[in-house]
Amino acid sequence: NAGVMQNPRHLVRRRGQEARLRCSPMKGHSHVYWYRQLPEEGLKFMVYLQKENIIDESGMPKERFSAEFPKEGPSILRIQQVVRGDSAAYFCASSYRDKNTEAFFGQGTRLTVV
Amino acid sequence: DAKTTQPPSMDCAEGRAANLPCNHSTISGNEYVYWYRQIHSQGPQYIIHGLKNNETNEMASLIITEDRKSSTLILPHATLRDTAVYYCIVGSSNTGKLIFGQGTTLQVKP
Repeated sequence: NAGVMQNPRHLVRRRGQEARLRCSPMKGHSHVYWYRQLPEEGLKFMVYLQKENIIDESGMPKERFSAEFPKEGPSILRIQQVVRGDSAAYFCASSYRDKNTEAFFGQGTRLTVV
Repeated sequence: DAKTTQPPSMDCAEGRAANLPCNHSTISGNEYVYWYRQIHSQGPQYIIHGLKNNETNEMASLIITEDRKSSTLILPHATLRDTAVYYCIVGSSNTGKLIFGQGTTLQVKP
């Protein structure tokens, strides 16, 4: 059973471009969480999705960031018009139910904005 | 969500038990205690979680006080590969999102 798969592992974008980060949850998991870790800082919750639904986006920046988890395919975190401050590690986690259970994390996508 | 307090850093000798404390005095009755760790810049790794009773798995043991206001993660025989930041998290009672604090940086020394 493959773990949580994130791709790409490293992504370089110029300021103003779009970044698309993908996350394939573990088999059988329908709950996906995205977290961001800025350099030398802790992990911050961004968004929680179930299939085709955004459940909690309280940690998402108000502009330029969006997330989806379609019925088929991976979850996508999309950052439009990237700025240098978006440079960070973005981690995805999945779980098989919504609470009181462990979540499994991917290895992350390191986004560098130049 | 309940807040947790952990010491910022700890050292442990290789082969000895590492005991990592966590205070969560505002925990509510249906909130679980979770432990994760992050080795260098890798993705966080789940270690163990519990509600009231002590728990043990192949990685660690979790001791939760009777009043549930604190807990201790025990790595029975620490190795150099256990050097990491360890996060104690009280799970949200509404969703599975995790609120990470600063954690404890455990340095295992030869």
